[in-house]
Amino acid sequence: AQSVTQLGSHVSVSEGALVLLRCNYSSSVPPYLFWYVQYPNQGLQLLLKYTSAATLVKGINGFEAEFKKSETSFHLTKPSAHMSDAAEYFCAVSVDSGYALNFGKGTSLLVTP
Amino acid sequence: GAGVSQSPRYKVAKRGQDVALRCDPISGHVSLFWYQQALGQGPEFLTYFQNEAQLDKSGLPSDRFFAERPEGSVSTLKIQRTQQEDSAVYLCASSSGAGPWFGNEQFFGPGTRLTVL
Repeated sequence: AQSVTQLGSHVSVSEGALVLLRCNYSSSVPPYLFWYVQYPNQGLQLLLKYTSAATLVKGINGFEAEFKKSETSFHLTKPSAHMSDAAEYFCAVSVDSGYALNFGKGTSLLVTP
Repeated sequence: GAGVSQSPRYKVAKRGQDVALRCDPISGHVSLFWYQQALGQGPEFLTYFQNEAQLDKSGLPSDRFFAERPEGSVSTLKIQRTQQEDSAVYLCASSSGAGPWFGNEQFFGPGTRLTVL
């Protein structure tokens, strides 16, 4: 079964510093991978998705992620953190049936001045 | 263009009560999903509709959970005889894609926070 593991439930960075949120996947077939962001009391918003086209995927708000098959990873990065990036981030993988997403447990990003 | 809306946003129920949670998807979206998000966890899939057909209900945790989408638009998630372990945020999502949806974006509503006392 397809699943993802997010390393680090909490990540703290300084404003202007590199953001790196880690996600490793487990899949017996080529996966479709997603990163979502969730702000307090709001629904999830898609940041970016990998669907076997380019391995480096650019998303909204300056985020990008690189699919590395050899490492079974899909880490999310942003060169320079903004205060507004503070939120919960979820990595997700599509399941065989195509009807659902399996989400990781999430990483809470804190941005300090 | 409105997004996915859910009501109520907050619901408090006494143990044993029945509750009904409503989801209004984006107009014209064929696919509709329900997820359950426990505190500090990622969302977990409950059920999937393609139009009015419930094609996957493998994630429903017990027979106390029931979902419907009778006209292929608005959906209702009903929980009978609520238990404390049912306390969670219930998220609804819709997508324009039909069938196996690989790569199609799911648009999420703000969720309904259910607290069972």
